[in-house]
Amino acid sequence: AQSVSQHNHHVILSEAASLELGCNYSYGGTVNLFWYVQYPGQHLQLLLKYFSGDPLVKGIKGFEAEFIKSKFSFNLRKPSVQWSDTAEYFCAVNGDNAGNMLTFGGGTRLMVKP
Amino acid sequence: DVKVTQSSRYLVKRTGEKVFLECVQDMDHENMFWYRQDPGLGLRLIYFSYDVKMKEKGDIPEGYSVSREKKERFSLILESASTNQTSMYLCASSLQGGPYGYTFGSGTRLTVV
Repeated sequence: AQSVSQHNHHVILSEAASLELGCNYSYGGTVNLFWYVQYPGQHLQLLLKYFSGDPLVKGIKGFEAEFIKSKFSFNLRKPSVQWSDTAEYFCAVNGDNAGNMLTFGGGTRLMVKP
Repeated sequence: DVKVTQSSRYLVKRTGEKVFLECVQDMDHENMFWYRQDPGLGLRLIYFSYDVKMKEKGDIPEGYSVSREKKERFSLILESASTNQTSMYLCASSLQGGPYGYTFGSGTRLTVV
């Protein structure tokens, strides 16, 4: 079975600070990895995804994530956050025997202080 | 743009009531999913469907059932609502055959009193 762990439940940063949100998954086979974002009052949106190839993936709004297979990790990064990045972020995994099913982590609430 | 529409944004129901949550998608996606979202627990899969009239249990199916009579519509049913089913319910859809990721609806916040 696949599972996802997000270590930080709440993160508070000032504008212009750098961001790194941790995501570790548990699955022995080939994986596809996703980060979703949920802005206050809005639906979940895809931020970025990794299927294969370059382990450094760039997404929308200046976000990127790096897949490190040896660490079973897919951490989300942004060099300089803005107040508008305040949201909840979810990491998700799709293992190669899970069909199209995604398993989500518990989420990380990010608050960016202006 | 793919749209996933959930019929109600907010619902308040009484304990013991039968509750229907409706979800409609307009892009001919084969797969549809129902999740509940609770603080600190993330999204937990209740049921999913990969075709009309087909359904599979997710991680937390107890107390719920689903119906998929048409490809575009996937309904979640709470047979007898209980207070521990107070939650945000999210519907999602995706194409079949690849890791395309999901498109989510806006969610239905259900309160059972």
